[in-house]
Amino acid sequence: DADVTQTPRNRITKTGKRIMLECSQTKGHDRMYWYRQDPGLGLRLIYYSFDVKDINKGEISDGYSVSRQAQAKFSLSLESAIPNQTALYFCATSDEDSPEQFFGPGTRLTVL
Amino acid sequence: GNSVTQMEGPVTLSEEAFLTINCTYTATGYPSLFWYVQYPGEGLQLLLKATKADDKGSNKGFEATYRKETTSFHLEKGSVQVSDSAVYFCALSDGTSYGKLTFGQGTILTVHP
Repeated sequence: DADVTQTPRNRITKTGKRIMLECSQTKGHDRMYWYRQDPGLGLRLIYYSFDVKDINKGEISDGYSVSRQAQAKFSLSLESAIPNQTALYFCATSDEDSPEQFFGPGTRLTVL
Repeated sequence: GNSVTQMEGPVTLSEEAFLTINCTYTATGYPSLFWYVQYPGEGLQLLLKATKADDKGSNKGFEATYRKETTSFHLEKGSVQVSDSAVYFCALSDGTSYGKLTFGQGTILTVHP
């Protein structure tokens, strides 16, 4: 079984809709992250959480919010989706003792 | 701020050719450096890492040496295979924001038989 899972894997939605992307992990890590990937731009950090009570904005948090429901769950929400939020979204986890991150398979989001 | 710059791609090679993908960085503190690989339709996987100057990371025939004097971490492989076709990302984690990664833009590698 995968250590980091993301749901849904693919989603098509319309401008103005609210959408939630979910991430779950079985690695027992405290730290979780949300990135978006755009062609030619690499991965950019949206939000990160170092434990259940600690949530921080990344470099591109505008238009997004997150919820850390438990150590194993970290959700990303788009309150009112817009077309330039069309991207591939990745969740990742890490242990506090190591900078190595472990990635989920990604969610491909299309906003029409 | 931190930044990572990779050579522009895409890179197209024949099987058994030599591969180099350049990566340079700017960072505060003493960063750890990484190469991640993304195979088609999958998430990123750690390929190799180096945590201090002059360290060499290696895995699956790939190597990269942490060069502090040139702020570089170039990825090399002596003989590529079709199965190496993927997107390669250079990344760093600096000592002041442990756990946060800064990524390069990615380099698409295609290997033909």
